[in-house]
Amino acid sequence: DQQVKQNSPSLSVQEGRISILNCDYTNSMFDYFLWYKKYPAEGPTFLISISSIKDKNEDGRFTVFLNKSAKHLSLHIVPSQPGDSAVYFCAASAIQGAQKLVFGQGTRLTINP
Amino acid sequence: DTAVSQTPKYLVTQMGNDKSIKCEQNLGHDTMYWYKQDSKKFLKIMFSYNNKELIINETVPNRFSPKSPDKAHLNLHINSLELGDSAVYFCASSRRRSGGANVLTFGAGSRLTVL
Repeated sequence: DQQVKQNSPSLSVQEGRISILNCDYTNSMFDYFLWYKKYPAEGPTFLISISSIKDKNEDGRFTVFLNKSAKHLSLHIVPSQPGDSAVYFCAASAIQGAQKLVFGQGTRLTINP
Repeated sequence: DTAVSQTPKYLVTQMGNDKSIKCEQNLGHDTMYWYKQDSKKFLKIMFSYNNKELIINETVPNRFSPKSPDKAHLNLHINSLELGDSAVYFCASSRRRSGGANVLTFGAGSRLTVL
């Protein structure tokens, strides 16, 4: 039973435009949501997080939006740059979950020049 | 200076063999994890240790045995390897949270291929 889902396996965006990556979840006990970025042959690296009590968190070109009623979050990257080409993982943790992070299956983002 | 380092990076072995993957972190974190990324690309937690104590043990065959000699090291030993064990195994660490997101720092992964 996959509690965190990223339904788009891939996304292609023009350089300079906005990239929007989506994530859905089923567990209403999740209290934090995180986005990780992964380059080939490297481990995932932390990008940005959001608490379940907020609906938006911004860090430079990256903004995460949370819609609790829809159990949906999204990561916006603007403007998109070639270095943003990577696999993006959505993850979530529940305060009761012994600090376990549950990951989605990732979305491969390709930024075209 | 690598924060979370895993060895080996690549491992090719025959079915039935026993192998180990080692992990070390120099971040001073007190919690360490093993995650498995299978062919469908999901990252799934296997084990977690906090200060050498096992705190998460997901539904993993008992052929997999984690060992934490100290809080900076978490090794993964796999007995009687099977074809389905082929995957990328990621080690990670974090500081026990007291509010705020639990941010894990990952190693580069160890790709295991069982022939």
